[in-house]
Amino acid sequence: DQQVKQNSPSLSVQEGRISILNCDYTNSMFDYFLWYKKYPAEGPTFLISISSIKDKNEDGRFTVFLNKSAKHLSLHIVPSQPGDSAVYFCAASARSSASKIIFGSGTRLSIRP
Amino acid sequence: NAGVTQTPKFRVLKTGQSMTLLCAQDMNHEYMYWYRQDPGMGLRLIHYSVGEGTTAKGEVPDGYNVSRLKKQNFLLGLESAAPSQTSVYFCASDNPGQGSSGANVLTFGAGSRLTVL
Repeated sequence: DQQVKQNSPSLSVQEGRISILNCDYTNSMFDYFLWYKKYPAEGPTFLISISSIKDKNEDGRFTVFLNKSAKHLSLHIVPSQPGDSAVYFCAASARSSASKIIFGSGTRLSIRP
Repeated sequence: NAGVTQTPKFRVLKTGQSMTLLCAQDMNHEYMYWYRQDPGMGLRLIHYSVGEGTTAKGEVPDGYNVSRLKKQNFLLGLESAAPSQTSVYFCASDNPGQGSSGANVLTFGAGSRLTVL
């Protein structure tokens, strides 16, 4: 049973346009949601997070939106740049079990010129 | 500042052989984790530790053992390797609640690619 799902394995976006990556979850006990970015042959690196009491968090070109009623979050990248080409993992955790962070299967984003 | 270091980076084993993956962190983090990454499966938690001398099972613990004898080190052992354990293994560490939103923010190593023939 996948508690965190990323249904799009890949996404291709033109440079300068908006990239939207989606993530769905099933466990209403999750308190925090995070996005990680991973380049080939490297470990994932933290990108942005949001608490369940918020519906939006922005950091430069990156914005995460949370829709608790739909159990859905999305990552918006505007404008998309070539260096954004990577695999993006959505992750979630509950305060009651802070050591267990559940990851989605990832979406490979490709930015084309 | 090295962060999280994993050794070895690559290893090929035969079925039934044993090996240990070593993870070392220099950030004085309390929590440490071992994940495996497989195509289409994302990152799955194998075992984790919330402090020196403690370990706990994650989602996919079978076939693995771990030890955390020192705060900075977390070892992942395979006693009898199987082809199903062919994967990329990531170690991570954090201190709880250090993210700006209060979330746990993991620092990952670069990964260890293991192939079991």
